[in-house]
Amino acid sequence: DIVMTQSPDSLAVSLGERATLNCKSSQSVLYSSNNHNYLAWYQQKPGQPPKLLIYWASTRESGVPDRFSGSGSGTDFTLTISSLQAEDVAVYYCQQYYSLPITFGQGTRLEIK
Amino acid sequence: QLQLQESGSGLVKPSQTLSLTCAVSGGSISSGTYSWSWIRQPPGKGLEWIGYIYQSGSTYYNASLKSRVTISVDRSESQVSLKLSSVTAADTAVYYCARSDRYCSSTSCRYPYFDYWGQGTLVTVSS
Repeated sequence: DIVMTQSPDSLAVSLGERATLNCKSSQSVLYSSNNHNYLAWYQQKPGQPPKLLIYWASTRESGVPDRFSGSGSGTDFTLTISSLQAEDVAVYYCQQYYSLPITFGQGTRLEIK
Repeated sequence: QLQLQESGSGLVKPSQTLSLTCAVSGGSISSGTYSWSWIRQPPGKGLEWIGYIYQSGSTYYNASLKSRVTISVDRSESQVSLKLSSVTAADTAVYYCARSDRYCSSTSCRYPYFDYWGQGTLVTVSS
């Protein structure tokens, strides 16, 4: 199984500041035949299901604000929130879909400083 | 707008079988390009993919649960079901159903990310 490790476990950022969340996979999730990274990011607020933010490592889901961006390739990925808003307080998960079983990171809890 | 709604037994005794249903509305469950997954989340913890059903009823289960899991689909009722046998307290979790739309490259197909999720249902295993 591919192990997904997120860092940090929790993060406190001031409103309007940049938040950087990291995700590392135990093996590459880059599929060479199409040059796609098989990685997604989700946001989960208390009492809600996860919400898809980013797929293919850097493609923003429709309706997701452009302050959210994804980057990285191979085994190292980053979710960046360019200017933190109060409504961004949540737990963020990365997920690989390169191979089965599908696996998720343990999550990063994002709070307001 | 596609909607998924989980329902089922909220309290299950140890060693019994957990049974849940995911009702799909606002879209077709029968499209051959979709997979329907079950994902669970123990209280205060992360997400674990249980398995999925796709195409004409093919299934893939996480090896960690494979011996105890059955996922099935009732297309006439637009429902996906989950059965998990011989439950213990470790199976206490919020259970979600989620959809994935198939992606095919030149060499292979995947059911990648999850674009629609149900609200989830809490199942507690306790005597």
